[in-house]
Amino acid sequence: DTEVTQTPKHLVMGMTNKKSLKCEQHMGHRAMYWYKQKAKKPPELMFVYSYEKLSINESVPSRFSPECPNSSLLNLHLHALQPEDSALYLCASSQEGQVSSYEQYFGPGTRLTVT
Amino acid sequence: AQKVTQAQTEISVVEKEDVTLDCVYETRDTTYYLFWYKQPPSGELVFLIRRNSFDEQNEISGRYSWNFQKSTSSFNFTITASQVVDSAVYFCALSEASFITGANSKLTFGKGITLSVRP
Repeated sequence: DTEVTQTPKHLVMGMTNKKSLKCEQHMGHRAMYWYKQKAKKPPELMFVYSYEKLSINESVPSRFSPECPNSSLLNLHLHALQPEDSALYLCASSQEGQVSSYEQYFGPGTRLTVT
Repeated sequence: AQKVTQAQTEISVVEKEDVTLDCVYETRDTTYYLFWYKQPPSGELVFLIRRNSFDEQNEISGRYSWNFQKSTSSFNFTITASQVVDSAVYFCALSEASFITGANSKLTFGKGITLSVRP
């Protein structure tokens, strides 16, 4: 089963709202990732968790707050977002985070609109 | 620093035509990994292939084939007898080896090629 699930599929939120994106994988992968993708652009890495510890934060603004409650779950908490944060947010997982040879498996994404 | 160039931005073909998507990469490492991903309109990136820098064998999987040439730093992808379902954005990506404990290597994506297959 090579499936990564993400909820919700679509999210519209105001700039003062607090919301969370959720990601789940049951492949026994030990690395999980958040990416942001704007239209007609490649995905941009935001965060990497390796063995449930945050190992990469790509200078993401603090209005994005990741959380990894356990090895299967990854959350992205959103607060006081700006309209330019509207994008497709993709979650991915891979077998390992420290060894770069493993492919990443992506979820279907959450399409976020900030109004 | 690593870099992936997909010079083609959009390609349009008629169904059953063969099409090749080009990918050129730059890296200083001798050990690295190359990937191709497909992103259909639904948005999910689908993993297609991984190739390590020591394995220059070409690969064929059904209608898909990949040609890896270290001499030209290229990892091209050919779809034979294209179908409408092949319409998607295709990303080539590069990851440098990182075996140092605690280090992580990032995936560098090219800008993507939008392939449209017309019936």
